[in-house]
Amino acid sequence: AQSVTQLGSHVSVSEGALVLLRCNYSSSVPPYLFWYVQYPNQGLQLLLKYTSAATLVKGINGFEAEFKKSETSFHLTKPSAHMSDAAEYFCAVTSLGANSKLTFGKGITLSVRP
Amino acid sequence: ETGVTQTPRHLVMGMTNKKSLKCEQHLGHNAMYWYKQSAKKPLELMFVYSLEERVENNSVPSRFSPECPNSSHLFLHLHTLQPEDSALYLCASSPLITDRFYGYTFGSGTRLTVV
Repeated sequence: AQSVTQLGSHVSVSEGALVLLRCNYSSSVPPYLFWYVQYPNQGLQLLLKYTSAATLVKGINGFEAEFKKSETSFHLTKPSAHMSDAAEYFCAVTSLGANSKLTFGKGITLSVRP
Repeated sequence: ETGVTQTPRHLVMGMTNKKSLKCEQHLGHNAMYWYKQSAKKPLELMFVYSLEERVENNSVPSRFSPECPNSSHLFLHLHTLQPEDSALYLCASSPLITDRFYGYTFGSGTRLTVV
């Protein structure tokens, strides 16, 4: 079985501050990990993904995430928050295997203060 | 505009109504998915179709009935719903069900309210 844990439901940062959204995963086989963003009244948009190549992954809108196997983590960061980053962020995991599917965390809402 | 289009965007229906949600993808993908997104809950995978064949049904009540007439279209037929079925219903697609590298492409969802 596989799962992801996103602790907390809400993160608030000031514009220009560092964004750090945490994700820890559980998987009995090597995982593939994803971050998605959901803006209000929209579907989910892929931000970035880890698929066993480089452990530091860069995505759209200046976001990046680092896969740390020893910590079973895949935290999402952005050096400087922008007002337009306010949204809900979902971490997801899958793995090789006929029955594997994309399993999502419960999401975390990012607010950006002026 | 994503490659996955869902209609309608909003739907209000009574508990005795019958309605359908539609999803269309223009990406040439062969796998399609229905997810339910309720407030404060993780996304719930409802159904998975691969090459127009249903391959997964996650204990979804029979009042939800999916249909995949071809690899570009996916429907979710609704009847005698309950208020707790109110949620955002998301459609997604991927090149192949076994393609773990790609991730899924999502539509914008249908916001369903059952009254």
